[in-house]
Amino acid sequence: DIQMTQSPSSLSASVGDRVTITCRASQSISSYLNWYQQKPGKAPKLLIYAASSLQSGVPSRFSGSGSGTDFTLTISSLQPEDFATYYCQQSYSTLPFTFGPGTKVDIK
Amino acid sequence: EVQLVESGGGLVQPGGSLRLSCAASGFTVSSNYMSWVRQAPGKGLEWVSVIYSGGSTYYADSVKGRFTISRDNSKNTLYLQMNSLRAEDTAVYYCARDGDSMPAFDIWGQGTMVTVSS
Repeated sequence: DIQMTQSPSSLSASVGDRVTITCRASQSISSYLNWYQQKPGKAPKLLIYAASSLQSGVPSRFSGSGSGTDFTLTISSLQPEDFATYYCQQSYSTLPFTFGPGTKVDIK
Repeated sequence: EVQLVESGGGLVQPGGSLRLSCAASGFTVSSNYMSWVRQAPGKGLEWVSVIYSGGSTYYADSVKGRFTISRDNSKNTLYLQMNSLRAEDTAVYYCARDGDSMPAFDIWGQGTMVTVSS
Protein backbone atom coordinates (compact mmCIF):
# COMPACT_ATOMS: atom_id res chain seq x y z
CA ASP A 1 0.00 0.00 0.00
CA ILE A 2 1.06 3.60 -0.60
CA GLN A 3 1.50 5.39 2.72
CA MET A 4 0.73 9.09 3.05
CA THR A 5 2.20 11.38 5.67
CA GLN A 6 1.38 15.02 6.43
CA SER A 7 3.18 17.74 8.31
CA PRO A 8 2.54 19.38 10.56
CA SER A 9 -0.18 17.39 12.33
CA SER A 10 -1.58 20.66 13.64
CA LEU A 11 -0.85 24.34 13.45
CA SER A 12 -2.10 27.56 14.94
CA ALA A 13 -2.43 30.56 12.69
CA SER A 14 -4.07 33.97 12.53
CA VAL A 15 -6.49 35.38 10.00
CA GLY A 16 -4.49 36.70 7.08
CA ASP A 17 -1.56 34.32 7.56
CA ARG A 18 -0.07 32.29 4.76
CA VAL A 19 -0.37 28.60 5.63
CA THR A 20 1.49 25.69 4.05
CA ILE A 21 0.76 22.01 4.62
CA THR A 22 2.99 19.26 3.27
CA CYS A 23 2.03 15.77 2.15
CA ARG A 24 4.45 13.00 1.24
CA ALA A 25 3.78 9.66 -0.47
CA SER A 26 5.80 6.52 0.20
CA GLN A 27 6.33 6.06 -3.55
CA SER A 28 5.83 8.16 -6.63
CA ILE A 29 2.18 8.91 -7.39
CA SER A 30 2.82 11.30 -10.27
CA SER A 31 0.20 14.05 -9.80
CA TYR A 32 -2.54 11.80 -8.42
CA LEU A 33 -2.89 13.78 -5.22
CA ASN A 34 -6.03 15.42 -3.85
CA TRP A 35 -6.72 17.75 -0.93
CA TYR A 36 -9.86 17.86 1.19
CA GLN A 37 -11.12 20.18 3.89
CA GLN A 38 -13.24 18.85 6.72
CA LYS A 39 -15.05 20.83 9.39
CA PRO A 40 -16.35 19.22 12.59
CA GLY A 41 -19.45 17.12 12.02
CA LYS A 42 -19.35 17.64 8.27
CA ALA A 43 -18.33 15.57 5.28
CA PRO A 44 -14.99 16.28 3.62
CA LYS A 45 -14.99 18.77 0.76
CA LEU A 46 -12.72 18.48 -2.27
CA LEU A 47 -10.44 21.50 -2.64
CA ILE A 48 -7.67 20.48 -5.05
CA TYR A 49 -7.42 17.52 -7.41
CA ALA A 50 -4.57 16.25 -9.52
CA ALA A 51 -2.11 18.06 -7.25
CA SER A 52 -2.79 21.58 -8.51
CA SER A 53 -6.26 21.85 -10.07
CA LEU A 54 -8.73 23.95 -8.12
CA GLN A 55 -12.14 22.34 -7.69
CA SER A 56 -15.02 24.44 -8.99
CA GLY A 57 -16.31 26.90 -6.41
CA VAL A 58 -13.21 26.76 -4.20
CA PRO A 59 -11.65 30.17 -3.43
CA SER A 60 -8.47 31.01 -5.28
CA ARG A 61 -6.57 31.53 -2.02
CA PHE A 62 -6.20 27.73 -2.00
CA SER A 63 -3.49 26.29 -4.22
CA GLY A 64 -1.65 23.02 -4.57
CA SER A 65 1.69 22.01 -6.00
CA GLY A 66 4.04 19.08 -6.30
CA SER A 67 4.50 15.81 -8.13
CA GLY A 68 6.10 12.46 -7.51
CA THR A 69 6.24 12.07 -3.74
CA ASP A 70 6.12 15.61 -2.31
CA PHE A 71 3.11 17.90 -2.36
CA THR A 72 2.02 21.16 -0.79
CA LEU A 73 -1.30 22.83 -0.02
CA THR A 74 -1.08 26.58 0.46
CA ILE A 75 -3.67 28.98 1.79
CA SER A 76 -2.44 32.41 0.76
CA SER A 77 -4.44 34.43 3.29
CA LEU A 78 -6.21 32.44 5.98
CA GLN A 79 -9.88 33.32 6.48
CA PRO A 80 -12.09 32.53 9.50
CA GLU A 81 -13.95 29.84 7.54
CA ASP A 82 -10.67 28.04 6.76
CA PHE A 83 -10.16 26.73 10.27
CA ALA A 84 -10.62 23.01 9.70
CA THR A 85 -8.75 19.76 9.21
CA TYR A 86 -7.06 19.14 5.86
CA TYR A 87 -6.40 15.71 4.36
CA CYS A 88 -4.36 14.67 1.37
CA GLN A 89 -5.32 11.53 -0.55
CA GLN A 90 -3.61 9.59 -3.30
CA SER A 91 -5.63 8.30 -6.24
CA TYR A 92 -2.82 6.58 -8.12
CA SER A 93 -3.68 3.35 -9.88
CA THR A 94 -2.86 1.11 -6.96
CA LEU A 95 -5.65 0.53 -4.44
CA PRO A 96 -6.33 1.32 -1.64
CA PHE A 97 -6.99 5.04 -2.01
CA THR A 98 -5.07 6.10 1.07
CA PHE A 99 -5.49 9.35 2.97
CA GLY A 100 -2.96 11.25 4.98
CA PRO A 101 -3.52 11.51 8.75
CA GLY A 102 -4.74 15.10 8.52
CA THR A 103 -3.56 18.56 9.54
CA LYS A 104 -5.71 20.54 11.94
CA VAL A 105 -5.61 24.29 11.44
CA ASP A 106 -6.86 26.28 14.40
CA ILE A 107 -6.93 29.83 15.60
CA LYS A 108 -3.84 31.28 17.23
CA GLU B 1 -28.86 19.17 -7.64
CA VAL B 2 -26.13 16.57 -7.43
CA GLN B 3 -26.21 14.93 -4.03
CA LEU B 4 -25.78 11.75 -2.03
CA VAL B 5 -27.90 10.82 0.99
CA GLU B 6 -26.87 7.96 3.25
CA SER B 7 -29.09 5.98 5.59
CA GLY B 8 -29.09 2.76 7.53
CA GLY B 9 -26.64 3.44 10.31
CA GLY B 10 -27.31 2.59 13.92
CA LEU B 11 -26.29 0.55 16.94
CA VAL B 12 -25.47 -3.12 16.35
CA GLN B 13 -23.93 -5.80 18.51
CA PRO B 14 -20.55 -7.31 17.71
CA GLY B 15 -20.98 -10.04 15.12
CA GLY B 16 -24.13 -8.44 13.77
CA SER B 17 -25.01 -7.07 10.35
CA LEU B 18 -26.13 -3.79 8.90
CA ARG B 19 -26.84 -2.50 5.41
CA LEU B 20 -26.08 1.09 4.51
CA SER B 21 -27.77 2.86 1.60
CA CYS B 22 -26.65 5.86 -0.39
CA ALA B 23 -29.28 7.41 -2.64
CA ALA B 24 -27.97 9.54 -5.46
CA SER B 25 -29.68 12.37 -7.30
CA GLY B 26 -28.54 14.54 -10.17
CA PHE B 27 -26.28 11.87 -11.67
CA THR B 28 -26.23 8.14 -12.42
CA VAL B 29 -24.52 5.89 -9.89
CA SER B 30 -23.77 3.19 -12.44
CA SER B 31 -21.85 5.62 -14.67
CA ASN B 32 -19.38 6.56 -11.96
CA TYR B 33 -16.88 4.96 -9.64
CA MET B 34 -18.50 5.01 -6.20
CA SER B 35 -16.74 4.49 -2.88
CA TRP B 36 -17.43 4.14 0.81
CA VAL B 37 -15.10 5.98 3.17
CA ARG B 38 -15.30 5.80 6.95
CA GLN B 39 -14.08 7.85 9.87
CA ALA B 40 -13.79 6.44 13.37
CA PRO B 41 -14.57 8.90 16.19
CA GLY B 42 -11.79 11.45 16.45
CA LYS B 43 -9.75 9.75 13.73
CA GLY B 44 -8.87 10.29 10.11
CA LEU B 45 -10.44 9.10 6.88
CA GLU B 46 -10.19 5.48 5.74
CA TRP B 47 -11.21 4.28 2.31
CA VAL B 48 -13.35 1.12 2.61
CA SER B 49 -14.57 -0.05 -0.79
CA VAL B 50 -15.17 0.94 -4.40
CA ILE B 51 -17.44 -0.25 -7.18
CA TYR B 52 -16.38 0.70 -10.67
CA SER B 53 -18.79 1.62 -13.44
CA GLY B 54 -18.13 -1.76 -15.03
CA GLY B 55 -19.14 -3.51 -11.82
CA SER B 56 -15.75 -4.55 -10.44
CA THR B 57 -15.47 -4.22 -6.68
CA TYR B 58 -12.51 -3.79 -4.34
CA TYR B 59 -12.12 -3.62 -0.57
CA ALA B 60 -9.73 -2.50 2.09
CA ASP B 61 -8.00 -5.44 3.77
CA SER B 62 -9.68 -4.48 7.06
CA VAL B 63 -13.15 -5.30 5.67
CA LYS B 64 -12.43 -7.86 2.96
CA GLY B 65 -14.66 -10.90 3.29
CA ARG B 66 -17.05 -9.14 5.66
CA PHE B 67 -18.37 -6.15 3.66
CA THR B 68 -20.01 -6.15 0.24
CA ILE B 69 -20.53 -3.12 -1.96
CA SER B 70 -23.31 -3.14 -4.53
CA ARG B 71 -25.69 -0.88 -6.40
CA ASP B 72 -29.25 -0.92 -7.64
CA ASN B 73 -29.36 0.87 -10.96
CA SER B 74 -33.16 1.10 -10.96
CA LYS B 75 -33.05 2.95 -7.65
CA ASN B 76 -29.84 4.85 -8.42
CA THR B 77 -28.61 3.72 -5.01
CA LEU B 78 -25.33 2.41 -3.63
CA TYR B 79 -25.20 -0.09 -0.77
CA LEU B 80 -22.73 -1.44 1.75
CA GLN B 81 -23.65 -4.73 3.37
CA MET B 82 -21.65 -5.12 6.57
CA ASN B 83 -21.47 -8.52 8.25
CA SER B 84 -19.50 -9.87 11.22
CA LEU B 85 -19.21 -6.36 12.59
CA ARG B 86 -16.49 -5.55 15.11
CA ALA B 87 -16.01 -2.73 17.59
CA GLU B 88 -13.32 -1.30 15.33
CA ASP B 89 -15.90 -0.83 12.55
CA THR B 90 -17.52 1.92 14.64
CA ALA B 91 -17.37 5.02 12.47
CA VAL B 92 -19.22 7.53 10.38
CA TYR B 93 -19.61 6.00 6.93
CA TYR B 94 -19.64 8.28 3.90
CA CYS B 95 -20.44 7.41 0.33
CA ALA B 96 -18.51 9.39 -2.25
CA ARG B 97 -18.43 9.79 -6.01
CA ASP B 98 -15.29 9.73 -8.10
CA GLY B 99 -15.41 12.78 -10.34
CA ASP B 100 -16.34 12.49 -14.01
CA SER B 101 -13.00 13.79 -15.22
CA MET B 102 -10.84 13.59 -12.13
CA PRO B 103 -9.67 10.75 -9.89
CA ALA B 104 -10.94 12.42 -6.72
CA PHE B 105 -13.99 12.24 -4.48
CA ASP B 106 -15.93 15.27 -5.65
CA ILE B 107 -19.34 14.55 -4.11
CA TRP B 108 -19.85 13.21 -0.57
CA GLY B 109 -22.90 12.23 1.39
CA GLN B 110 -23.57 13.63 4.84
CA GLY B 111 -22.49 10.41 6.54
CA THR B 112 -24.26 7.82 8.66
CA MET B 113 -23.03 6.65 12.06
CA VAL B 114 -22.45 2.98 12.76
CA THR B 115 -21.81 1.95 16.35
CA VAL B 116 -20.78 -1.61 17.14
CA SER B 117 -21.20 -2.29 20.83
CA SER B 118 -22.80 -4.70 23.22
